[in-house]
Amino acid sequence: GPKVLQIPSHQIIDMGQMVTLNCDPVSNHLYFYWYKQILGQQMEFLVNFYNGKVMEKSKLFKDQFSVERPDGSYFTLKIQPTALEDSAVYFCASSSDSHTEVFFGKGTRLTVV
Amino acid sequence: GDQVEQSPSALSLHEGTGSALRCNFTTTMRAVQWFQQNSRGSLINLFYLASGTKENGRLKSTFNSKESYSTLHIRDAQLEDSGTYFCAAEPYQGGRALIFGTGTTVSVSP
Repeated sequence: GPKVLQIPSHQIIDMGQMVTLNCDPVSNHLYFYWYKQILGQQMEFLVNFYNGKVMEKSKLFKDQFSVERPDGSYFTLKIQPTALEDSAVYFCASSSDSHTEVFFGKGTRLTVV
Repeated sequence: GDQVEQSPSALSLHEGTGSALRCNFTTTMRAVQWFQQNSRGSLINLFYLASGTKENGRLKSTFNSKESYSTLHIRDAQLEDSGTYFCAAEPYQGGRALIFGTGTTVSVSP
């Protein structure tokens, strides 16, 4: 099926530092998402992004979080500064339309120490 | 409260047998997706349903929006079916966010 690529697969970062998670969505998709999964727990929605703008975000999308996709390059999630509770697996996803099947990447495991 | 209630939380199957997973919704959903999360953590798309029933190999899924539930049936279970299965649904009200169930950990043994 369609592939969403995430780079890196693992990232260890010192608390307080900035981290950028990269996502290469499916090529013809227009809607992009980030989800967060703490180990062993359910997946939770963070944000979705369309046409260069954040369309909706959850309470988990703190002020320290930001997303962008400059000129068709990677769709990124930036956390600045990081906190211990940001440790989780972050999944990027994309879809071709606003109400169609969503495809997920393999996730980036972020460990904040 | 939780809008997606998934059950059971864990399921043990012997090879060749089958069972069903269920998600109940407390709000009207537009569509549902089912995923298998494998041991490496990857989410594999199994089904996307806006209504009705779909079948793919040994898996079958149904979504009934009116009665607010979806099911995933596994038949003739194989070892590779082990993993955690999630339903995720899109509410009619609100935005585009998928709301995930808490998952069902399926263990298939010889």
